[in-house]
Amino acid sequence: EDQVTQSPEALRLQEGESSSLNCSYTVSGLRGLFWYRQDPGKGPEFLFTLYSAGEEKEKERLKATLTKKESFLHITAPKPEDSATYLCAALSGGSYIPTFGRGTSLIVHP
Amino acid sequence: GAGVSQSPRYKVAKRGQDVALRCDPISGHVSLFWYQQALGQGPEFLTYFQNEAQLDKSGLPSDRFFAERPEGSVSTLKIQRTQQEDSAVYLCASSSAGGLNQPQHFGDGTRLSIL
Repeated sequence: EDQVTQSPEALRLQEGESSSLNCSYTVSGLRGLFWYRQDPGKGPEFLFTLYSAGEEKEKERLKATLTKKESFLHITAPKPEDSATYLCAALSGGSYIPTFGRGTSLIVHP
Repeated sequence: GAGVSQSPRYKVAKRGQDVALRCDPISGHVSLFWYQQALGQGPEFLTYFQNEAQLDKSGLPSDRFFAERPEGSVSTLKIQRTQQEDSAVYLCASSSAGGLNQPQHFGDGTRLSIL
């Protein structure tokens, strides 16, 4: 059974304090690893797709990386507006239904 | 707008009533998904459409849940004889036909409360 585990469940940072969120996955033949941002009362907003180990993608203060077992979302010098829940989802070979993790709730204090 | 649109945004119903939730996907998107999201949880898969064909409904919790997409565009999720455990946010997502590993684009959901 495909599994995605995110840690930590919650993270509080001071503005400017860089950190990383973890997404561990167990799927058969990963076809895609997705990161989303979800604000309260909103649907998940797509951030990145990673397809193979070693791949990295960046957008502003966010950088996503992928290994064969996990993905990291690195947040460099975060700002209060980066506060949100970050979800990752893994898509296995032969499936069209990604498995979502429970998310990491990030709060960045000014 | 160009995004996925869901209506209503909020729905309050009494236990036992039927409800219908609507999803307008991004124009031209072939794939459409429905998810249920409880507070503090990730989205849980309900059902998947490719055009008008419902290819997977394995996530529907019971036969009280029914989804359709008759013309391959707008979709409706219907819940009959609602129960309190049906209270959740229902999310709709669509993706393009460029391959099954394309990212999903989500609407803002319908928050359903059953009294």
